[in-house]
Amino acid sequence: AQKVTQAQTEISVVEKEDVTLDCVYETRDTTYYLFWYKQPPSGELVFLIRRNSFDEQNEISGRYSWNFQKSTSSFNFTITASQVVDSAVYFCALSAWTNFNKFYFGSGTKLNVKP
Amino acid sequence: DGGITQSPKYLFRKEGQNVTLSCEQNLNHDAMYWYRQDPGQGLRLIYYSQIVNDFQKGDIAEGYSVSREKKESFPLTVTSAQKNPTAFYLCASSLFGGGTDPQYFGPGTRLTVL
Repeated sequence: AQKVTQAQTEISVVEKEDVTLDCVYETRDTTYYLFWYKQPPSGELVFLIRRNSFDEQNEISGRYSWNFQKSTSSFNFTITASQVVDSAVYFCALSAWTNFNKFYFGSGTKLNVKP
Repeated sequence: DGGITQSPKYLFRKEGQNVTLSCEQNLNHDAMYWYRQDPGQGLRLIYYSQIVNDFQKGDIAEGYSVSREKKESFPLTVTSAQKNPTAFYLCASSLFGGGTDPQYFGPGTRLTVL
């Protein structure tokens, strides 16, 4: 069975702080993909990143970075020098080979960045 | 601009009425999806379609129906059989429908049953 756990329901930080959002996944498949999405208050989910199970390289995009560790089944997301515009709900999602039609979403982490 | 449009943004319905939510995409994506999101919760899959004239039930299909007569359109009907329809509904599409492709989302429709 596939499952994504985002244990942090809500996080509050002050602007310019670094923050890490945790994502732990479960799957028995060796082929799978992981995704992060941002849902701002407007409601539309915005795709941020995709990572496949064979590529454990970390990725950096501006203030965003992702740490993929198969040994701990984690795909964590770090925002450096957070800004008020980063305030949103962030979702981690998994798709796995045995049921590639379906995305398994975590319950989301609400990030509040205060000025 | 390519993207996914959903209409209306807000929808109010009386109990016992069916209502149809629109979803259109001009991304030339094969696959389309409908999700339901309740406050403070993640997304739950209602239906998905990988090709025209074919669709599959997701985890919470009861009380919902869909059609896929055109590649760019995937309307969702919330029927009176859906016991608790008040929620935020999100439509998404992906290029080929396999899990390798990201899903891209529309702005959502917030449905309230009065």
